[in-house]
Amino acid sequence: DAKTTQPPSMDCAEGRAANLPCNHSTISGNEYVYWYRQIHSQGPQYIIHGLKNNETNEMASLIITEDRKSSTLILPHATLRDTAVYYCIVIAAGGTSYGKLTFGQGTILTVHP
Amino acid sequence: GAGVSQSPSNKVTEKGKDVELRCDPISGHTALYWYRQSLGQGLEFLIYFQGNSAPDKSGLPSDRFSAERTGGSVSTLTIQRTQQEDSAVYLCASRLAPGTSGNTIYFGEGSWLTVV
Repeated sequence: DAKTTQPPSMDCAEGRAANLPCNHSTISGNEYVYWYRQIHSQGPQYIIHGLKNNETNEMASLIITEDRKSSTLILPHATLRDTAVYYCIVIAAGGTSYGKLTFGQGTILTVHP
Repeated sequence: GAGVSQSPSNKVTEKGKDVELRCDPISGHTALYWYRQSLGQGLEFLIYFQGNSAPDKSGLPSDRFSAERTGGSVSTLTIQRTQQEDSAVYLCASRLAPGTSGNTIYFGEGSWLTVV
């Protein structure tokens, strides 16, 4: 699976949009971009994923650049409960590369009042 | 259950004792992963099971660690002769079979292990 690069930390004011970037310049054509977050003492929670097109669900939006080398997770109205570590990973859909998943250090997002 | 279930949720053990951690994946998921996360650190891959294939054990830190998956479902992670550096949260995750496009990995809440 392709390696990802994320900033180690970011701050956001409550009620504002949080935009978390991720670089995945070596992504392959069959690899999806996935975002997870981990709130202290809990298991990682799935947020959203996408292949080429931008995606939106009840939690967040995912913007993937046309060349697919980077993406941005957007939390439209951040709350204090969104304070967490956010992980961006790329995962192959299947085939022989369907194996262990490598998580980087993620981005620590702190939402402040 | 609907999600990945892990037990025990918390375990305190004495140095040198053996421990077993259990994972019940989501029904129908053929892929199962174990990760370890020490305090303040990222997720460290331990082992991956896929159906009846030989597991990928490349992340196991020493021969004191082993895991098995019986009947393609429940998995047990065993740590023998525990050391204080084994203290961490052990996370299990599962996923649908290969070939299913864009399928999501679901994590359990983890088993917190403290070795004293």
